[in-house]
Amino acid sequence: EPEVTQTPSHQVTQMGQEVILRCVPISNHLYFYWYRQILGQKVEFLVSFYNNEISEKSEIFDDQFSVERPDGSNFTLKIRSTKLEDSAMYFCASSREGQNYGYTFGSGTRLTVV
Amino acid sequence: QKEVEQNSGPLSVPEGAIASLNCTYSDRGSQSFFWYRQYSGKSPELIMSIYSNGDKEDGRFTAQLNKASQYVSLLIRDSQPSDSATYLCAVTGSSGSARQLTFGSGTQLTVLP
Repeated sequence: EPEVTQTPSHQVTQMGQEVILRCVPISNHLYFYWYRQILGQKVEFLVSFYNNEISEKSEIFDDQFSVERPDGSNFTLKIRSTKLEDSAMYFCASSREGQNYGYTFGSGTRLTVV
Repeated sequence: QKEVEQNSGPLSVPEGAIASLNCTYSDRGSQSFFWYRQYSGKSPELIMSIYSNGDKEDGRFTAQLNKASQYVSLLIRDSQPSDSATYLCAVTGSSGSARQLTFGSGTQLTVLP
């Protein structure tokens, strides 16, 4: 079963530092996403990415965040100047072309900002 | 503001029983509907997807969609202790947000041996 791979599984960073979360989507998927889940809260959409550009983003995804597909396999989320409230599980997901396909989630990166 | 509402539970059913999970959504333009299972500390795992009104069955799982009532449900037959998890309803948006999944807060299901 193809899977979405995320690294690292856990990242601890000091407030104000920059972090990069990495993801390898499923190879024949064309849409890539980042979601986050603060402990005890809902899974929240951050951004979707298609054809090397952002296709949709939420209000959460402000100038502090950026995404990049630096090569043919990786998809990254950069968080600049991290804040305590950025502590959460960050999930990468991917899906095939078209709307009627489920989204496959990676195992997540737990980000802890101290 | 798009909303997806679920009963938070907890919902407890005995092993072998049918578990019924419900979800309502606010965006009438939503086109795609998903049920995910999430174990504590893990990522959401896709259980079912449904796109048109009616029922869709896959093994022990049946998803039901009623767009007029903006309601989607999941039935789990012959519930097993391994089904104990939080079940998340997720809905895509209408035009302009068609790739965004909006999640409910989840229903915690416990299947008692």
